[in-house]
Amino acid sequence: DSGVTQTPKHLITATGQRVTLRCSPRSGDLSVYWYQQSLDQGLQFLIQYYNGEERAKGNILERFSAQQFPDLHSELNLSSLELGDSALYFCASSPTSGRSSETQYFGPGTRLLVL
Amino acid sequence: ELKVEQNPLFLSMQEGKNYTIYCNYSTTSDRLYWYRQDPGKSLESLFVLLSNGAVKQEGRLMASLDTKARLSTLHITAAVHDLSATYFCAVDKGMYSGGGADGLTFGKGTHLIIQP
Repeated sequence: DSGVTQTPKHLITATGQRVTLRCSPRSGDLSVYWYQQSLDQGLQFLIQYYNGEERAKGNILERFSAQQFPDLHSELNLSSLELGDSALYFCASSPTSGRSSETQYFGPGTRLLVL
Repeated sequence: ELKVEQNPLFLSMQEGKNYTIYCNYSTTSDRLYWYRQDPGKSLESLFVLLSNGAVKQEGRLMASLDTKARLSTLHITAAVHDLSATYFCAVDKGMYSGGGADGLTFGKGTHLIIQP
């Protein structure tokens, strides 16, 4: 158990819908990262937040957005869902901004299925 | 654009044998990570390699980093069935990112099956 929690574990929805994935980082960690894992794209970095501020963007679609709240939990919002958005979404956390020797600790993931 | 290539992508081996997984990356980096993923599970951190020549060992796994060759290896010694998993290497551009993403760039993973 990495100490990172994600809810829900599974999510089934329809195309065109909007969903919100939630992540709580390890106690004391200030950075939250979101990753998408799919069979065709592999593991892709989406976005990072550090202490409430957006820190870095990766391959995140415009239909997707995220935020980090004052209590440091983060939410990833996926809208206008398409079949291709079906994937496993991981949240990871690290103590600081990432510019150090820290590893990123991954949560259990949310498996999203878009029908 | 940073690219990370692992090989082999699939590996079936017998218990007791030794093997090496290779991870090449395309641009300068000073931080490389190895993760393990069991089917349907999350990623578990194995090693963080921070400098040229770094070597780390944990049990039957040993990882090394050659930043000049942009190559990391994960060596498995006397494999046992419990090591069956998918192994990912990931690179962080670190100090060379020029203020860019701190997210990790992952290889496609090596699916390792160890048979009795």
